[in-house]
This record gives sequence, structure tokens and C-alpha cells, in this order.
Amino acid sequence: ETAVFQTPNYHVTQVGNEVSFNCKQTLGHDTMYWYKQDSKKLLKIMFSYNNKQLIVNETVPRRFSPQSSDKAHLNLRIKSVEPEDSAVYLCASSLQGNTLYFGEGSRLIVV
Amino acid sequence: QEKVQQSPESLIVPEGAMSSLNCTFSNSASQSIWWYQQHPGKGPEALISIFSNGNKKEGRLTVYLNRASLHVSLHIRDSQPSDSAVYLCAVSRYSNNRIFFGDGTQLVVKP
Repeated sequence: ETAVFQTPNYHVTQVGNEVSFNCKQTLGHDTMYWYKQDSKKLLKIMFSYNNKQLIVNETVPRRFSPQSSDKAHLNLRIKSVEPEDSAVYLCASSLQGNTLYFGEGSRLIVV
Repeated sequence: QEKVQQSPESLIVPEGAMSSLNCTFSNSASQSIWWYQQHPGKGPEALISIFSNGNKKEGRLTVYLNRASLHVSLHIRDSQPSDSAVYLCAVSRYSNNRIFFGDGTQLVVKP
């Protein structure tokens, strides 16, 4: 049963537009993540939040910015998308860095 | 940065056979190792994790960890067509809220 909810599931947009992805977890976890998954299924961590504090900020382009209102929500905004941003963005949560629970992903296609 | 490599890239086995997947990591101080299963259009789902050297068995799954050789393997006994998915190896580091993923093994179980 899904307990990490992502919206939208799918989004097509043009180069230069702004996009936002939302994520909510109902597991009571203290840490949330955004991962980017490319076409070859490789998962790369982008951001991690622990109790609303950013604790990992991998080297991602500055047009990406995470936003967290509380420990159950972690959104991702992309300003001025580029073609290489086309990917599946996966939100996950965990308790103290243990097993990750993923949402179903948000697929972004930039045309 | 933890480097996680998986082999083979793809694996095709007949129904009822044993499926064997491999993963190597770059740092013996890595904390725990997980195996995740990902079906098309879904987020990864944790299958089994291991922390100590040796093996761990859960149902049809057995995982072997050898920290000295930086190697972990997953074996699926009596493979079923429903086991067809991408399998991801993930490694975490001590005192670090980062979890690094390998690039996956595509398993196909033929009826």
C-alpha cells in the first residue's frame, strides 16, 4: 500500500518553463529525499531533508530547489527546465536513514 | 562518494530456476546493504537488507554479504514470472544520511 504520494505522475513541458513536483508521506518518517532516475534506471540522490532541515544537497543545477513545509512534505521546483531534466523524479522517506519508501515517481518530459 | 556496481546488466531465467544477482561496493565501512525491486512505472520497493557478514534468508530470497571482498549477492529460489523486474542494490554509509544505488539488473523470468 502506497504511503508516499507524488503529484503529478506525468508532466510534459517546454524548455524554459517552471515545473513543481509535490510529495507527501504518511509514515511518520523523519527524513525525505528526492532522487532522479534516468532512462537506464540509475538513481541519483538530489536532496535530503531531516525534520525540515536540508542535510544533503548533491551537486545539482541551481535551477532545482527543494521546499519543505513540515517533515511530511517535500516539494521540488525546477526553474527554467532544460532537455536533460527529462527523467523520473522519485520521492522517498525513511526513519533515521534506514529503509527507503518510495513514491511511484513523477515523469518529466521536456520538449 | 560510494561506488556501487551491479552485474549482470540483464538476466533471463526459466520459471523455477535460481536467479543470482551481484553487487560490489567501494567502501568496507558501508553500513547496510539493501536490495530493491522496481516494476515498470512504479517506485523501488525494499526486498531485503543485510548488515553483518554472512547470509540472511527470507522466503525465496537469500542474500550473502562479504565485506572483505566488498561483495553482496541476491539469490531468488524458484523464480516466478512475477519476479521479473529491475533489481537495485543500495548501500549506506556510517554517520551519513546518504544511500547510493547501483545501476540495476533487469531480471526476466520466462514461463
